[in-house]
Amino acid sequence: EADIYQTPRYLVIGTGKKITLECSQTMGHDKMYWYQQDPGMELHLIHYSYGVNSTEKGDLSSESTVSRIRTEHFPLTLESARPSHTSQYLCASSMRGLGGTEAFFGQGTRLTVV
Amino acid sequence: RKEVEQDPGPFNVPEGATVAFNCTYSNSASQSFFWYRQDCRKEPKLLMSVYSSGNEDGRFTAQLNRASQYISLLIRDSKLSDSATYLCVVNMNAHRQDGGATNKLIFGTGTLLAVQP
Repeated sequence: EADIYQTPRYLVIGTGKKITLECSQTMGHDKMYWYQQDPGMELHLIHYSYGVNSTEKGDLSSESTVSRIRTEHFPLTLESARPSHTSQYLCASSMRGLGGTEAFFGQGTRLTVV
Repeated sequence: RKEVEQDPGPFNVPEGATVAFNCTYSNSASQSFFWYRQDCRKEPKLLMSVYSSGNEDGRFTAQLNRASQYISLLIRDSKLSDSATYLCVVNMNAHRQDGGATNKLIFGTGTLLAVQP
């Protein structure tokens, strides 16, 4: 089993609230990723990090922000949640290496903004 | 054009059938390739890596054609438990904000497989 954890698993929150989705891994992986996935749809990369103090935007524009102050922690923040942010958010991590290695996923956070 | 393209399916096949999934990718410099499986409302999990020489794991065979920028997954003797979405994943080169290089994992749209009794 992969040692990558996301909290909360489910979140229902009102419009305009600030939220932070937590992601932690204990594998010492350099790379971490956030993906957004609507039901039955594809995964879209919204943020990734290749190490501490490094973050990059993914291919899908997102109003969320991320930080990487510690290797094991990669939280995602929405300053003002809106119904359009309703989705599943999946965090993943992988080792840095030539060509890259497989990614391990957390169980996801299902966010509903009402 | 999407960076990683797959036929979304669904593929409805009877138990015992052989089914093949294909995937194409746009970046010829891509360095590593994977097939993931995602069950309904679950996170994706690695099924197998794809090596240049092709590789097999039980009923599953993966192949890579770098010249055509194409990877495939073959499932033989399909089981009911194989029903899931199969995701093609490519590790692609990317540019960092500081001008350096890194890479990122890009997922295809996934192909839905439904194995019927």
